Amino acid sequence: EAGVTQFPSHSVIEKGQTVTLRCDPISGHDNLYWYRRVMGKEIKFLLHFVKESKQDESGMPNNRFLAERTGGTYSTLKVQPAELEDSGVYFCASRLTGGPANYGYTFGSGTRLTVV
Amino acid sequence: GIQVEQSPPDLILQEGANSTLRCNFSDSVNNLQWFHQNPWGQLINLFYIPSGTKQNGRLSATTVATERYSLLYISSSQTTDSGVYFCAVGEYNFNKFYFGSGTKLNVKP
Repeated sequence: EAGVTQFPSHSVIEKGQTVTLRCDPISGHDNLYWYRRVMGKEIKFLLHFVKESKQDESGMPNNRFLAERTGGTYSTLKVQPAELEDSGVYFCASRLTGGPANYGYTFGSGTRLTVV
Repeated sequence: GIQVEQSPPDLILQEGANSTLRCNFSDSVNNLQWFHQNPWGQLINLFYIPSGTKQNGRLSATTVATERYSLLYISSSQTTDSGVYFCAVGEYNFNKFYFGSGTKLNVKP
């Protein structure tokens, strides 16, 4: 089965521009998570979807960030307008509720965002 | 939230050496995973191990949930083991993870 796919792998944008990151979870996975690692710090939770509903968005840093998961399949994370401190690696992960007991999260390869 | 501390922060090994990475966490957890971030930035799931011991080839992991720590063992290290190893823990059934700051491993030939 295909893994978690993220697009683009890299993005360089100017401060003030808009960027949209996309995540395609493993087919059939109802849980989708966004995380990010900025400035070489620890990886931090942003939000969690269950199907198309936001289960927990406590990690979203501010209202410049908008996440959607229309139809409960792929998800997008839009940053508008981007600021320098938004630079980092954005990870997406997915999981199937009730999956095998020895199965955890599967992460995508991440999108490296650079705001200049 | 849960505090996660990993040690050591940096580790340099000669190829063939063994190592132990440690993850301490501040509260009871229902899930714990070890990840390897390779030089290309990918986060690779190594173990889902909220308790007990698991082995996969040269890697093994042990979590003692009652004492709030987990260990990742790497035996006969290879240069391809280089990268950052993250421990991540969660309070409830697969809600958000709290990540440690990672252990950066450099295996030299």
